[in-house]
Amino acid sequence: GAVVSQHPSWVICKSGTSVKIECRSLDFQATTMFWYRQFPKQSLMLMATSNEGSKATYEQGVEKDKFLINHASLTLSTLTVTSAHPEDSSFYICSASNSYNEQFFGPGTRLTVL
Amino acid sequence: QKEVEQDPGPLSVPEGAIVSLNCTYSNSAFQYFMWYRQYSRKGPELLMYTYSSGNKEDGRFTAQVDKSSKYISLFIRDSQPSDSATYLCAMKKGGYNQGGKLIFGQGTELSVKP
Repeated sequence: GAVVSQHPSWVICKSGTSVKIECRSLDFQATTMFWYRQFPKQSLMLMATSNEGSKATYEQGVEKDKFLINHASLTLSTLTVTSAHPEDSSFYICSASNSYNEQFFGPGTRLTVL
Repeated sequence: QKEVEQDPGPLSVPEGAIVSLNCTYSNSAFQYFMWYRQYSRKGPELLMYTYSSGNKEDGRFTAQVDKSSKYISLFIRDSQPSDSATYLCAMKKGGYNQGGKLIFGQGTELSVKP
């Protein structure tokens, strides 16, 4: 149990385009989902926290207009990187929190912006 | 100063060795401490968690927390090549079943040589 999936696992896009990443909790309902970014050899940095049906709470320094988060249901959250640039290339990981506030991580999405 | 400090390594040991991984932290409000294992290009998976000071053992893994020194450790006995991964410490304020964001260390890259 407690499986979190992400789609796609790897995406390459051109500079200036937008990319959507999906995060799904497959066997539980996630009241809260978290989005992290991880650069090579670096730690996971929390970008934002989203609660189902509410606006996401962004960490300091994360542009909410650039990283759009939608948490429309208890099993799905999406992160859209708008007008992506090469510096947005990174490993994006989501986690989903169950009713006991246990966090389970997805497998990550590698974004490469050319 | 980062809230959580972790030596990034890399750390290379022979098969069968005892591995010691450590993190220090600065915020005395942290109560709940976790160790995650992350294989290359994958999401983190929870190995162990401990609450407040003390030891916890699970098979070949032992987690230690010393709140007076703000120092946590993960020991791996009889290390195996399959243990080769990046190990991340994480911590948060509040208990296991309380919400709140995780603060991660940078991660230590471990390589166990056959």
